[in-house]
Amino acid sequence: DVKVTQSSRYLVKRTGEKVFLECVQDMDHENMFWYRQDPGLGLRLIYFSYDVKMKEKGDIPEGYSVSREKKERFSLILESASTNQTSMYLCASRQQGEQPQHFGDGTRLSIL
Amino acid sequence: GQQLNQSPQSMFIQEGEDVSMNCTSSSIFNTWLWYKQDPGEGPVLLIALYKAGELTSNGRLTAQFGITRKDSFLNISASIPSDVGIYFCAGNTGTASKLTFGTGTRLQVTL
Repeated sequence: DVKVTQSSRYLVKRTGEKVFLECVQDMDHENMFWYRQDPGLGLRLIYFSYDVKMKEKGDIPEGYSVSREKKERFSLILESASTNQTSMYLCASRQQGEQPQHFGDGTRLSIL
Repeated sequence: GQQLNQSPQSMFIQEGEDVSMNCTSSSIFNTWLWYKQDPGEGPVLLIALYKAGELTSNGRLTAQFGITRKDSFLNISASIPSDVGIYFCAGNTGTASKLTFGTGTRLQVTL
């Protein structure tokens, strides 16, 4: 089974802090994704990466950046956290050319 | 970004009842996926559909890829308490493209 692991289940940070969310997958997948999930809005794509050192903006990239230095790891960075970035963050991965994405359990981030 | 229209937003049903939910898109999709999210966890893939008209089952779950390629349906038969959760549809226009997700259907099952 595919295992996507997010480093923290719950995280509380302060406004203005730089926040790192880490995601690791163990299936050698090329593609990795970061979403945020908010009530009534479903899952919205922040950034994705087709392969190591590659990154593409999703639908809501503002206020975020990403890093993919190794194939198995995809990091989401909040450069200067704001309260409107309080949300559930979900990481996913998939094999290149295949469709189903496999998700981690999410990080519930609160910005105070 | 595009959002799929998923309905209903929420459902309250009794154990043993059948459930139906659907998603519609303004675009033609090549793939439809259905996920379930349990409270406090990430979405888990239930069913994947790759061809128009395709009907696929996974236990008590059955999903269909609409003929027009702009919609998909998920049915759950004889619901049980562990069916509680949020069900998401997702689709895309090609294997290399991004997934678009529906806003979810929250299912509650009462005894």
